[in-house]
Amino acid sequence: ELKVEQNPLFLSMQEGKNYTIYCNYSTTSDRLYWYRQDPGKSLESLFVLLSNGAVKQEGRLMASLDTKARLSTLHITAAVHDLSATYFCAVDNTGNQFYFGTGTSLTVIP
Amino acid sequence: KAGVTQTPRYLIKTRGQQVTLSCSPISGHRSVSWYQQTPGQGLQFLFEYFSETQRNKGNFPGRFSGRQFSNSRSEMNVSTLELGDSALYLCASSSGWGATGELFFGEGSRLTVL
Repeated sequence: ELKVEQNPLFLSMQEGKNYTIYCNYSTTSDRLYWYRQDPGKSLESLFVLLSNGAVKQEGRLMASLDTKARLSTLHITAAVHDLSATYFCAVDNTGNQFYFGTGTSLTVIP
Repeated sequence: KAGVTQTPRYLIKTRGQQVTLSCSPISGHRSVSWYQQTPGQGLQFLFEYFSETQRNKGNFPGRFSGRQFSNSRSEMNVSTLELGDSALYLCASSSGWGATGELFFGEGSRLTVL
């Protein structure tokens, strides 16, 4: 079964700082997705990465994909409080069966 | 356009009862999938339907079932509820075509089993 690991599980960072969340997965896949979840809410799509070397940026978030290393990163630049949420990566096993990581709970401290 | 709509949003049941959850996908989307989210197990795939056919099923007992109607709306049913079935059940839709495979999630149905 495809395994998806994220680290760290919990991240507390100060406003203005940079940090990276890592997502490793166990089998070959060219599709990786990042989602955000606020407490008590649903999953909001952030990035869709569809090929090796793909890089997407939106505001203070940038995601990249290295399919050879089976690694995706979500980089946070100059964090602000509004970014506090849980972030999930997910890998598509074809047929719309997503395997999700454990999630990274991010808290941005003023 | 309207997003994925799930009903009911919250419900409380007792052990042994059954429950039916409903999901209306984004207009034009023909694929609907269901996920269970719990603090202990995280997000786990239940099943996926496309054009009224179940294409994929996750590792859940037969008490969990689903179906999809001709208008792409989907329902999932859990029979003989157990305490461990308490979870947020998320429905997601996608077009079922093209390269992205992106899933769009509804707000979820939060089930509490007492």
